[in-house]
Amino acid sequence: EAQVTQNPRYLITVTGKKLTVTCSQNMNHEYMSWYRQDPGLGLRQIYYSMNVEATDKGDVPEGYKVSRKEKRNFPLILESPSPNQTSLYFCASSRLTGTNTGELFFGEGSRLTVL
Amino acid sequence: GENVEQHPSTLSVQEGDSAVIKCTYSDSASNYFPWYKQELGKGPQLIIDIRSNVGEKKDQRIAVTLNKTAKHFSLHITETQPEDSAVYFCAANNQAGTALIFGKGTTLSVSS
Repeated sequence: EAQVTQNPRYLITVTGKKLTVTCSQNMNHEYMSWYRQDPGLGLRQIYYSMNVEATDKGDVPEGYKVSRKEKRNFPLILESPSPNQTSLYFCASSRLTGTNTGELFFGEGSRLTVL
Repeated sequence: GENVEQHPSTLSVQEGDSAVIKCTYSDSASNYFPWYKQELGKGPQLIIDIRSNVGEKKDQRIAVTLNKTAKHFSLHITETQPEDSAVYFCAANNQAGTALIFGKGTTLSVSS
């Protein structure tokens, strides 16, 4: 089954404690991206990757890091989480047509609370 | 940068009625306009999309229209059913093609 898998689905942590949210896709997609979803703000892009070892900032990258060492995996790293990073996070992947993304396939989401 | 405005933020209809959600976008270079449905506790799923060389597209009870001159696109759901209740997001691609810019979402409630 084609899917994007995120872990953990739920996490409560404390300010400053490094954490990683993993994302894996089994569709051999070149493009992967992280979004955060906040009430009243919709979905905002954090980082994206056009292929292995090619990552770039989205609209709200502050406080986050990513890596793309393998095509299927795209972890999101919060080096020193703060309460304003409490949010619902989605990983997504897509085939590329030329340099353009197509249909985004989303994971089920990771709800993060930073105390 | 690209901005996508979506209205209304909430919409309540009776089962069998039609529902219309409207979006406007700012970047005239956008050429891909998908609509996503998000059910409670799940990730958004594509329900229909349209490209800028097409004015209208239908898939059973849902249709999308695009007016490139006015930078408007709309989602139309006919004969609504309770299972249509969800949050709907419109989106437009950015000029570089590296991101979808999403509207803030519309919560659709269909009562039987």
